Formats: sequence, structure tokens, C-alpha cells
Amino acid sequence: KAGVTQTPRYLIKTRGQQVTLSCSPISGHRSVSWYQQTPGQGLQFLFEYFSETQRNKGNFPGRFSGRQFSNSRSEMNVSTLELGDSALYLCASRPRQGNDYEQYFGPGTRLTVT
Amino acid sequence: GENVEQHPSTLSVQEGDSAVIKCTYSDSASNYFPWYKQELGKGSQLIIDIRSNVGEKKDQRIAVTLNKTAKHFSLHITETQPEDSAVYFCAASVYNQGGKLIFGQGTELSVKP
Repeated sequence: KAGVTQTPRYLIKTRGQQVTLSCSPISGHRSVSWYQQTPGQGLQFLFEYFSETQRNKGNFPGRFSGRQFSNSRSEMNVSTLELGDSALYLCASRPRQGNDYEQYFGPGTRLTVT
Repeated sequence: GENVEQHPSTLSVQEGDSAVIKCTYSDSASNYFPWYKQELGKGSQLIIDIRSNVGEKKDQRIAVTLNKTAKHFSLHITETQPEDSAVYFCAASVYNQGGKLIFGQGTELSVKP
């Protein structure tokens, strides 16, 4: 089975722009979670999607949004980029909701905001 | 709020020695505790996990222990090898919110040959 894939792997944007990142979960997985990783804050939960609905949300401003499609692929969008948004964005998938399933992480998208 | 503290932030051991990384969580409703190994270019790999109804779990050279009373869990790696060098993250999730992991700050483990 193919693992979680994320595109693009690297991205450079300018302050004020917006960006969309994509995540394809493992085949058959229906839950996708997104995380932001920075040297200062570590790994922080952004949101989780299951069956095209946001099920959980972390403490990030409304500039961060996401969605999930019927094939479970997910996208996250960051509008009005700030320098502090530079980070590694990770997505993780698991088979379904509930508490009994481990998350499998993708390689991440490295976003640099200049 | 939810918080996971992880220590130490860096750890250097000689090949063959043991390594121990400790985490403390704040939310007593947490019931799932995974450990991830992150290597450059390889992403984050789940290496072991434990649930709150178990006190200890072992998988070859890796073991995790959980003390629910103290809200504390630890990763033990025995007979360390250079390929164990990586950043290790502990995490916790609350019952019925398994898609939301709260991570520790990470431990950079260096195993010297």
C-alpha cells in the first residue's frame, strides 16, 4: 500500500499571498489530520477531517482552513501568509474516527514565507 | 489546557547503551500515547504506542511504560545502534479525539559508534 503523500514537498511564498497544500491519505483511510511543525512550537494540531467534515480544530487563526473531498483527499489553505507561517506542514491519515487507530504521517510540505 | 512535556531535549549515548525519554501529560482524559521517530527525508514513523489500560508494552529493543497516576510515560531503547539516531516525539490523545495528537517538544537522540 502506498503511504500518505503530500504535494508539493517544498514551497516558497511571499507575505500576503495564500497557499494550498494537498494530502492524499493511505487508500481506505477516511480520517486526515493536519499539523504544523516549527522549531519554536514543535508539532501543533491544526484540524482533523472525516467524511468531508471537520471533526476537530486546534488553536490557529481563521486564516488556516481545510477541506476534505469525497475520495478522502484533503487540502489545507493558508490565506494572507505571515513570516511566522514558515513551517513544515504534516498530514496524517487513519482508517476512521474513534480513538483506536494510529496515525500515519506523510513526509510533509516545507513552506517558506519571505 | 492540554500539554505534553518531554525531556530531555537532546540525548547522546554510546552505541550499545540504553536511552530513556520521558513525557508528562496534563489531561487526565488522555488514553492513547504513541511515540514517533522522525528522520530527515523519511517523515515520522510510529515506533510504539500504549493505551491507558496497559502499564507496559515492549517490541524488541523498544519499550514504553505508562504511569496513569503520575500522568507520566517513558520510552526505553536498549542496545542502541547508530541508526536509532533521530528525533523522537511523544504524544497523547484524549478519548474519542484520536485524530488530535498533542505532541511533546521532541528529543534529538544521537548514538555514537
